[in-house]
Amino acid sequence: DIVMTQSPLHLPVTPGEPASISCRSSESLLHVRGFSYLDWYLQKPGQSPQLLIYLGSNRASGVPDRFSGSGSGTDFTLKISRVEAEDVGVYYCMQALQTPLTFGGGTKVEIK
Amino acid sequence: QVHLQESGPGLVKPSETLSLTCTVSGDSITSGDYYWSWIRQSPGEGLQWIGFIFYSGNTYYNPSLKSRLFISVDRSKNQFSLQLSSVTAADTAVYYCVRTFGSGSYYSFDPWGQGILVTVSS
Repeated sequence: DIVMTQSPLHLPVTPGEPASISCRSSESLLHVRGFSYLDWYLQKPGQSPQLLIYLGSNRASGVPDRFSGSGSGTDFTLKISRVEAEDVGVYYCMQALQTPLTFGGGTKVEIK
Repeated sequence: QVHLQESGPGLVKPSETLSLTCTVSGDSITSGDYYWSWIRQSPGEGLQWIGFIFYSGNTYYNPSLKSRLFISVDRSKNQFSLQLSSVTAADTAVYYCVRTFGSGSYYSFDPWGQGILVTVSS
């Protein structure tokens, strides 16, 4: 199975400031089609996870443009350009390259 | 707007079979555009993909659960179901049903149901 490792585990943030979360995979997630098979999900407090970013860098429908995904191979980053209070929650990366699909352990973002 | 709703017992005894159903509204399981997944979340294991099914009945299971797992679809009711046998306390989790986009070998989960907590205890 592909192992997904996120850092940091906890990320205190200041509203209006940028934030960054790292995700590393145990194998390259670059598909022969040229896409990185890596998604990001956000689980807000008391809610189910929701898709934020798919194929490494594509925002899902309705996701604000302050969220961006980047990276390739085994190293990926989710960036929030200016954090808002509604962005708190746990962020997960997930590899979508091969079954079993596997998730990172999560990064909890909270307001300082 | 598509909506998924899990239903089933919230308490299952050890060694028995966990059975859950997901009712889909706002989309047709038979449209052929999506797969339909089960994912669970527990404090100890985090998020774990269980498996998914296509409307035709084709299934893909997590190998770690495959020997105990059965996912089925009821096209007439626009539902899909999960059965996990011989459960233990390690199967205690929130279970989500999720619409799954699939293209080639790429899969993505959107949206998720609200989740149902299933506790395995005597």
